[in-house]
Amino acid sequence: KNEVEQSPQNLTAQEGEFITINCSYSVGISALHWLQQHPGGGIVSLFMLSSGKKKHGRLIATINIQEKHSSLHITASHPRDSAVYICAVRETSGSRLTFGEGTQLTVNP
Amino acid sequence: GAVVSQHPSRVICKSGTSVKIECRSLDFQATTMFWYRQFPKQSLMLMATSNEGSKATYEQGVEKDKFLINHASLTLSTLTVTSAHPEDSSFYICSARDPRLTSGRPSETQYFGPGTRLLVL
Repeated sequence: KNEVEQSPQNLTAQEGEFITINCSYSVGISALHWLQQHPGGGIVSLFMLSSGKKKHGRLIATINIQEKHSSLHITASHPRDSAVYICAVRETSGSRLTFGEGTQLTVNP
Repeated sequence: GAVVSQHPSRVICKSGTSVKIECRSLDFQATTMFWYRQFPKQSLMLMATSNEGSKATYEQGVEKDKFLINHASLTLSTLTVTSAHPEDSSFYICSARDPRLTSGRPSETQYFGPGTRLLVL
């Protein structure tokens, strides 16, 4: 069992739809990251969370430390949101990140 | 915001040659940088943690003599793939941890470079 699991693996949506990507982890963490990787490969850090909720534009990230679960929401999705979204956790024991397998999101016009 | 650059962005080389990839933090000093590799359709795999002024810490299964890491300054870490073979073809990504304080606490933010795509023929 992976320490970080994401669901779904693949997600196709129509433009304008509300999207949710989930991340569950099994270790104690000091922070959780949501990353976006576009087809060219470059990675952008979207959020870093240790508790509660953060919002940036159309993106919202939440985390429930007790349940070891985080969600990334995209409101009013757009084709340019098409990318791989990766959840990564920083374990309390160190500085390394452990990555989920990623969720491939495709938003069709 | 902080920016991490990598050079080159893409490299094609012959089998047996060595390739050096640079990772630079452009507007902050990174005491710790991380090197990852990513195969198609897979997530990032940590190869090593690079600390300025000391030897890199390699993950299990990563050959130290094959993947040489040098973190000679607070803004530059290099990864050299020695005697590259086709199976080393991959996407190599670095990240740098921003050590600056945020709200009085150490930041845990990592900034990722754009990646280097290596193709060994």
